[in-house]
Amino acid sequence: EIVLTQSPGTLSLSPGERATLSCRASQSVSYNYLAWYQQRPGQAPRFLIYGASSRATGIPDRFSGSGSGADFTLTISRLDPEDFALYYCQQYADSPPTFGQGTKVEIK
Amino acid sequence: EVQLVESGGGVVRPGGSLRLSCAASGFTFDDYGMSWVRQAPGKGLEWVSGINWNGGSTGYADSVKGRFTISRDNAKNSLYLQMNSLRAEDTAFYYCARGWTSSGYKSYWDYWGQGNLVTVSS
Repeated sequence: EIVLTQSPGTLSLSPGERATLSCRASQSVSYNYLAWYQQRPGQAPRFLIYGASSRATGIPDRFSGSGSGADFTLTISRLDPEDFALYYCQQYADSPPTFGQGTKVEIK
Repeated sequence: EVQLVESGGGVVRPGGSLRLSCAASGFTFDDYGMSWVRQAPGKGLEWVSGINWNGGSTGYADSVKGRFTISRDNAKNSLYLQMNSLRAEDTAFYYCARGWTSSGYKSYWDYWGQGNLVTVSS
């Protein structure tokens, strides 16, 4: 199965700053079938990005995804207070679908 | 508005059984594959099982294969997860999630239920 490794484990930033989250796969992810989710405490995951770089409906344009092959990035251009949360990447190219272990974006 | 509402969770002893249900509304249920994804308290996300639009194709994580069974009833707009031989490590919030296509579980999930806690403890 494809193992996804996210870094860093925790990102400490201030509102208005830029956040850059990394997701590295153990092998190339076909068709860039890579998604990102946000999870706030006590809530279900929220779908953000699919196909590595396409934003889901209703997701603000401060969220952007990039990358290909085995290296992917989620960028939040200017952190809003509501953006401090956990973020997971997920591949759906291969079975079983797998998630990274998550990156926590916390207020500095 | 798309809604997924899970039910059926609770406390069960090791070796016991439980059946989770997910009631779907706000979309044409049989146009989509569906999955169950779980999250142990304080831990990350783990795909558990998925099913295609008509139930003809299913998949399971190795950790639950042979113990869990996924099914759906399109007439009732409902998804199910029958969990047998439960273990302490199955303790988690279980989320019902809608896949992006009809075809199966190699998918991302665009809508999620609120989660239902299953606790396996003696």
